[in-house]
Amino acid sequence: GQQLNQSPQSMFIQEGEDVSMNCTSSSIFNTWLWYKQDPGEGPVLLIALYKAGELTSNGRLTAQFGITRKDSFLNISASIPSDVGIYFCAGLNTNAGKSTFGDGTTLTVKP
Amino acid sequence: DAGVTQSPTHLIKTRGQQVTLRCSPKSGHDTVSWYQQALGQGPQFIFQYYEEEERQRGNFPDRFSGHQFPNYSSELNVNALLLGDSALYLCASSSGLKVGEQYFGPGTRLTVT
Repeated sequence: GQQLNQSPQSMFIQEGEDVSMNCTSSSIFNTWLWYKQDPGEGPVLLIALYKAGELTSNGRLTAQFGITRKDSFLNISASIPSDVGIYFCAGLNTNAGKSTFGDGTTLTVKP
Repeated sequence: DAGVTQSPTHLIKTRGQQVTLRCSPKSGHDTVSWYQQALGQGPQFIFQYYEEEERQRGNFPDRFSGHQFPNYSSELNVNALLLGDSALYLCASSSGLKVGEQYFGPGTRLTVT
């Protein structure tokens, strides 16, 4: 079945630093999604990418859809304490309808 | 504008029992997906409902079943509970036009003892 490898598994950074995380797949997806999950809550959609090579920003967050359609990355610039949480990538083929999630990157930001 | 709501928040059941979880989608959404999230892992797709029918199903046994009502709300039923069914169950809603942009509820924490 489809699997997503998300890395790194965890990150410990200083406030103000930039962060980069990525997601790779053995299968092609036509949509890549990035979510953030805080403790006790459901994932919140951050960025959706629909075209290979697409680069999309949402505030301090930037994500790219890899040209092979098998990978995606997420960058966070100038991290702040409220960026703490678990970041998930998800791949989706819209004709199939189901999202496949990675196992997350846990981000800790030290003030 | 209410987001996705789920009930109950927490639930404790005994092995072998049956459980029903409920979800109301975000206003304007017609598609509901259910996910199981074990501790330390990403959500795993269970199934998706659209127009009151199961449209897609993940790799889960028949003990997991669901239903969607005419108002788009949905239920997840799990029969013959196993200890391994203990997890956070998430409901996500989307519009048929943008099925990838799923909005998640806060989840139901199920503990099977």
